[in-house]
Amino acid sequence: GDSVTQTEGPVTLSEGTSLTVNCSYETKQYPTLFWYVQYPGEGPQLLFKVPKANEKGSNRGFEATYNKEATSFHLQKASVQESDSAVYYCALSHNNAGAKLTFGGGTRLTVRP
Amino acid sequence: GGIITQTPKFLIGQEGQKLTLKCQQNFNHDTMYWYRQDSGKGLRLIYYSITENDLQKGDLSEGYDASREKKSSFSLTVTSAQKNEMAVFLCASSIEGNTLYFGEGSRLIVV
Repeated sequence: GDSVTQTEGPVTLSEGTSLTVNCSYETKQYPTLFWYVQYPGEGPQLLFKVPKANEKGSNRGFEATYNKEATSFHLQKASVQESDSAVYYCALSHNNAGAKLTFGGGTRLTVRP
Repeated sequence: GGIITQTPKFLIGQEGQKLTLKCQQNFNHDTMYWYRQDSGKGLRLIYYSITENDLQKGDLSEGYDASREKKSSFSLTVTSAQKNEMAVFLCASSIEGNTLYFGEGSRLIVV
């Protein structure tokens, strides 16, 4: 079956430092890859998704490149802010009707001012 | 835009009790999902439904039932609540299994 493995948290950073959250996946097909973010008291929301290999997704200063050869989709941000404190989930889905998302274990990020 | 509404936000029950969570969406999406969220374990799929009256088991379906009687609603029943089941349950909907839109979650507390 499909699986997603990501950096185990918690991760604590100071404002202005750089972030990398590693994500690796296993699947037999070519998936769409996602990053979701969950702020306290809310449900997860889409940060961005990338349906094609070798393409990059980005939003709010976060970015990730779909690396098919390495089966990776690492999340990066050059300079984090306190408001980025949240749980980040990497996920994959197949491009057919009724497909489900498979999530990684989540990475809790805390950014100190 | 649409919204996913989960009720109740907190559900307190006794061990062995049958407990039901409800979810409504007004996106007019075909597919709906129930995920369980445990700290450090991420989101694990319990049940999903690709259309009205359809049910598909996820990885964690044992001990749960689900019902999709109409397109806009999807309910989840814990058949016999156990203390190790205390978690947050998240409902979501999507078009063609792509981007999921989540509710705020329902926390189950078993006493």
